[in-house]
Amino acid sequence: GEDVEQSLFLSVREGDSSVINCTYTDSSSTYLYWYKQEPGAGLQLLTYIFSNMDMKQDQRLTVLLNKKDKHLSLRIADTQTGDSAIYFCAEYGYGQNFVFGPGTRLSVLP
Amino acid sequence: NAGVTQTPKFQVLKTGQSMTLQCAQDMNHNSMYWYRQDPGMGLRLIYYSASEGTTDKGEVPNGYNVSRLNKREFSLRLESAAPSQTSVYFCASSEPLWGGAGRDNEQFFGPGTRLTVL
Repeated sequence: GEDVEQSLFLSVREGDSSVINCTYTDSSSTYLYWYKQEPGAGLQLLTYIFSNMDMKQDQRLTVLLNKKDKHLSLRIADTQTGDSAIYFCAEYGYGQNFVFGPGTRLSVLP
Repeated sequence: NAGVTQTPKFQVLKTGQSMTLQCAQDMNHNSMYWYRQDPGMGLRLIYYSASEGTTDKGEVPNGYNVSRLNKREFSLRLESAAPSQTSVYFCASSEPLWGGAGRDNEQFFGPGTRLTVL
């Protein structure tokens, strides 16, 4: 079945860039999503990318997609302490349910 | 506009006890979902409901039942709780089940129920 993998932890210093990586297996995915989960809360949609795009920029967020390698990344520029959270990669294809990765816990150090 | 609400927020059960987790949404969405979240495993889909009156199994349905009471409400029942069901449970809703584009597919999540089974 479909599988989405992510590294579980990432630590960065405040002001640096964070890069969270994700790999997926389903080549029929049409959209790939990044969700953010703050402590004690549910997931919230951060951004997404259509599978025929290579890059999408949304303010401090840059999403890169390498469809050939099935690799997705989320770059957060000028990372702030408020960005500390768990970030989930998710793939979505027509006729299928979302498949979520295990989540990457981002810790931002002062 | 409360979005997706879940009750209770926390619950402790003994093995073999039963309970129902409640979920309601006020966004007039057709589709609703129940997930469980376990450390290092992400979210796994338990059951989903494409519309009022329909429910389908997800990836991990064993030990659970669901009811789509009306368009707003989707409940999850544990008939005989087991320690393996200790988890955080999230309810979510969206407008299309499948076939949406981009942000249209967004699932809106409730705050979660933290369940411990002793």
